Amino acid sequence: AQTVTQSQPEMSVQEAETVTLSCTYDTSENNYYLFWYKQPPSRQMILVIRQEAYKQQNATENRFSVNFQKAAKSFSLKISDSQLGDTAMYFCAFMKHSDYGGSQGNLIFGKGTKLSVKP
Amino acid sequence: GAGVSQSPSNKVTEKGKDVELRCDPISGHTALYWYRQSLGQGLEFLIYFQGNSAPDKSGLPSDRFSAERTGGSVSTLTIQRTQQEDSAVYLCASSFRVGSYEQYFGPGTRLTVT
Repeated sequence: AQTVTQSQPEMSVQEAETVTLSCTYDTSENNYYLFWYKQPPSRQMILVIRQEAYKQQNATENRFSVNFQKAAKSFSLKISDSQLGDTAMYFCAFMKHSDYGGSQGNLIFGKGTKLSVKP
Repeated sequence: GAGVSQSPSNKVTEKGKDVELRCDPISGHTALYWYRQSLGQGLEFLIYFQGNSAPDKSGLPSDRFSAERTGGSVSTLTIQRTQQEDSAVYLCASSFRVGSYEQYFGPGTRLTVT
């Protein structure tokens, strides 16, 4: 069974600074996908960034980037130039890869990190 | 275009009553997922539907929970004889197909069992 662990229940950062959220996972699979989702107080889960395990290059999306260490089973999220709108719960998630192509369906989530960006 | 919608937004029910939660996926999305988000357990997968295939029910916590998807579109999650531990936010998501990597989430239904 796969597990996802986020060891930081809460973090805070000053506006315009950089923050890194940690995530580790456990799996015996070789092919899989990793995600970071953001959940603001509105409850709407929003995909922030995605990483395919077979890709060595770390994914980036504007101010968001990941540090994917496959051997260490680590997948951290770096937010640069933090903005007040980044205040939210952040969830790391895992999805198996299907032998028939594509994903296996359901996401397995960590328990989340509550990020507060302070003015 | 319209995103995933869920109704009701909030539901308060008495212990022992049955409840139905509704999810309208994004038009054209063939895969639909239900998750439960509770304080103690985080986000848990419940069930997913892919087209006309049999649903994956492996995450349903008990036989009091069931879900159906009519016409490959709208889905209803039913909880029978609700218990206080069923109190949670129930999130629905859809994707173009199960092979798609991005799941689009609805705003959830907050269920409170008194």
